[in-house]
Order: sequence, then C-alpha cells, then structure tokens
Amino acid sequence: DIVMTQSPRTLIVTLGQPAAISCRSDQSLVHRDGPTYLNWLQQKPGQSPRRLIYQVSNRDSGVPDRFSGSGSDTYFTLRISRVEAEDAATYYCMQSTHWYTFGQGTKLEI
Amino acid sequence: EVQLVESGGDLVRPGGSLRLSCAASGFDLTRNYMTWVRQTQGGGLEWVAIIYTGDGAFYSDSVKDRFLIYRDQSKNTLFLDMTNLRVEDTALYFCTRDFWLWGQGTRVTVST
Repeated sequence: DIVMTQSPRTLIVTLGQPAAISCRSDQSLVHRDGPTYLNWLQQKPGQSPRRLIYQVSNRDSGVPDRFSGSGSDTYFTLRISRVEAEDAATYYCMQSTHWYTFGQGTKLEI
Repeated sequence: EVQLVESGGDLVRPGGSLRLSCAASGFDLTRNYMTWVRQTQGGGLEWVAIIYTGDGAFYSDSVKDRFLIYRDQSKNTLFLDMTNLRVEDTALYFCTRDFWLWGQGTRVTVST
C-alpha cells in the first residue's frame, strides 16, 4: 500500500493569515494513464468528510477559491490563502492512483 | 436532493455478522463507483471496498474474504455484508460516491 504522510499534524493559524499543509507519498502518484490522483478532504467535527480538491489542483464545486492545491509526483500541498473561522477542521490527503490510502490528517486550529 | 444515507451499524460480538446499507437518492448508484470507507475513533480513514459500474468489486486486504459489497438496483441501495467481524473492524462506516458525496456514517462496534 502507498503510505501518505502529512505535516504538520496540527496547525495553528490566525484569522486572515495563510496556511499550508504538506503531503508526501512513498511512491509516485502519477497513474500509468497520465493523471495524478491526489485529493484533499476536509472534515469538520461531527461531520462527514468533504472533498475539496481532486487531481492535485482542481477545486470541487462550491469550494472557495482561497483553497488551492499544488504538487507533483510524490509531494503535494494544500494552501489556504486567508484562513476563515469556518476553515477549522481536519484535512486529509488521499491518493486514488494505486487503490486508495489516506494521510493521517492535519488539524487546523484558529 | 443528491444524498446517501447509511444504516445498519450495531454492537456485535467478535465472529459475528452485520449488514450495512447505503440508500442513495437523486442519482442512480449503478452508474457510479461506490465505495465504503471507515474511520476509527482516532480519526484514521481506511478504504474498505469498492464496486464499479460493471459490478466488479475489490477489497482492502484487511477485509478481503470477510466482507461483500453489492448493490440492489431496484432499491438504489448499496450494501456491505460483514462476516467474521473482529475488534479491529470497529469504526464509523461511510459510503461515498467517487469520494465526492458522502453519507453521514453508521457506527459498528465489535466487542465482547
């Protein structure tokens, strides 16, 4: 199984400031057909996960444009340009190139 | 409204069986990849099983040969039959469509 490693595990950010979460995989996430299937999920307390980003950098419908994803091969980043109170959540990276595995999660505190 | 609603979670003894259901509304789940994902108390997420549009199904190594994923088209419902349950199967189980649409989860506790 591909191992996904996120850092930091906890991130404390001031309102209006930027935030960045890193995610590394122990194998390349480039699929043999070409795309890179790296996703970012957000889970607020007591709620189900919600996908924010798919294929590294594509925002899902309804996701604010302050969220952005970048990276390639084995190293990926989720950025929030200006953190808002509603962004307090745990964020997971997830790969779907070789079956499906998740990072351990990063708790964003504001 | 497009949504998924899971049910069937319960407290069961090790070695027991359980059937989880995931009722879909607002879309035809036979036309989508449907997946079961579980989340432990510590927050870790683990993929459990997937069924493709052509009924091909695959399982994580931790549940292979014990769990069965399938659909009932007439009920537009996804199922997960769980047998020979272990303490480590204890988790909140979610069904998801393409990891984009998620249900609210149903809790399975395996304990003596």
